[in-house]
Amino acid sequence: GAVVSQHPSRVICKSGTSVKIECRSLDFQATTMFWYRQFPKKSLMLMATSNEGSKATYEQGVEKDKFLINHASLTLSTLTVTSAHPEDSSFYICSAVRQGDGELFFGEGSRLTVL
Amino acid sequence: AQSVTQLDSQVPVFEEAPVELRCNYSSSVSVYLFWYVQYPNQGLQLLLKYLSGSTLVKGINGFEAEFNKSQTSFHLRKPSVHISDTAEYFCAVSNSWGKLQFGAGTQVVVTP
Repeated sequence: GAVVSQHPSRVICKSGTSVKIECRSLDFQATTMFWYRQFPKKSLMLMATSNEGSKATYEQGVEKDKFLINHASLTLSTLTVTSAHPEDSSFYICSAVRQGDGELFFGEGSRLTVL
Repeated sequence: AQSVTQLDSQVPVFEEAPVELRCNYSSSVSVYLFWYVQYPNQGLQLLLKYLSGSTLVKGINGFEAEFNKSQTSFHLRKPSVHISDTAEYFCAVSNSWGKLQFGAGTQVVVTP
């Protein structure tokens, strides 16, 4: 079946550094991907909609300059957490809409820990 | 605007007993409805979805859900649970395909 891969699955970084998380559709093309954030024992909150070849659309309250999203190809979207701080520690999950039939697939998530 | 309410934060259940997870939603437009399962430190796995048509939706692993428009509900059921069903379950709605709003989640704990 269709697979969405996230890399890295776990990352630990120091406060002030930037971290890039990749979301890749392995066997299909996705014009639209979504990024969610999940706090411990909490639900998923939509951060932004990533469209191939155009700027991402951010949800209210999400800092665009903090969470940079790039959707450079039909199979790859990246989320860069800039100048990360401990409060950015979270589980980040992406989803991708398969071009053609519109089926939606989720990645396995990336756990970011900022020290 | 739309919202999703999962009425139970945790549901303890004995193995081989039935389980029902409740989900209510509000929306001013037609919505798509989903149930996902999440195991610890993993992503989401789709159990089932309602797009249109029959209000009784059958999903994977023996789960089913019924869409009730008048009660704006989409409750998830399984007639006999296994230990392996212990996980977090999320109800979600969408009125813009792919863009999901999730409920707070229900932790199902299955004990022998």
